Amino acid sequence: QQQVKQSPQSLIVQKGGISIINCAYENTAFDYFPWYQQFPGKGPALLIAIRPDVSEKKEGRFTISFNKSAKQFSLHIMDSQPGDSATYFCATHRGSTLGRLYFGRGTQLTVWP
Amino acid sequence: ETGVTQSPTHLIKTRGQQVTLRCSSQSGHNTVSWYQQALGQGPQFIFQYYREEENGRGNFPPRFSGLQFPNYSSELNVNALELDDSALYLCASSLDGADTQYFGPGTRLTVL
Repeated sequence: QQQVKQSPQSLIVQKGGISIINCAYENTAFDYFPWYQQFPGKGPALLIAIRPDVSEKKEGRFTISFNKSAKQFSLHIMDSQPGDSATYFCATHRGSTLGRLYFGRGTQLTVWP
Repeated sequence: ETGVTQSPTHLIKTRGQQVTLRCSSQSGHNTVSWYQQALGQGPQFIFQYYREEENGRGNFPPRFSGLQFPNYSSELNVNALELDDSALYLCASSLDGADTQYFGPGTRLTVL
């Protein structure tokens, strides 16, 4: 049972464009929503994360938008660059299950120069 | 500050064998979680160790076992390897089981 559903599976964006990746969850007990970036052959790197008490968080070119009522959150990458080409995973966490992260299936982003 | 390290980088085993993977947590972190990432999939939680005790387990059979040592480093042991165990094994460390987890580079296990 997939705890978090991620879309699209793959995304192609032109350099300078906006990349948008979406995730949806069902369990309202989830209280932490990180995004990870993974390059081939490497481990996932924490990119940005949000908690349900805010609707948006921005760090540089990366923004998370969080819609608690819709149980959805998304990652926006502004001014996308070829170096952003990687696989992106959303994840969720429930406070009562100490440390366990539930991951989406991933989105493979390709940014064309 | 030292990040999460894992060894070995790559490993090739045959079906039925046993394997041990190692992880050193980030400096100051006392919690280690292990994940299995099959090709093209997101990481799947195996189990977590907090202060040398298993603290939660995912949907993996008992042939997946682990240890955490007093210095908070950890081992993942897999017995009776199966072909489907071929994957990238990731460990992640955090402080006091916090949700913010930092991943190592992983160990790529291939079972033939």
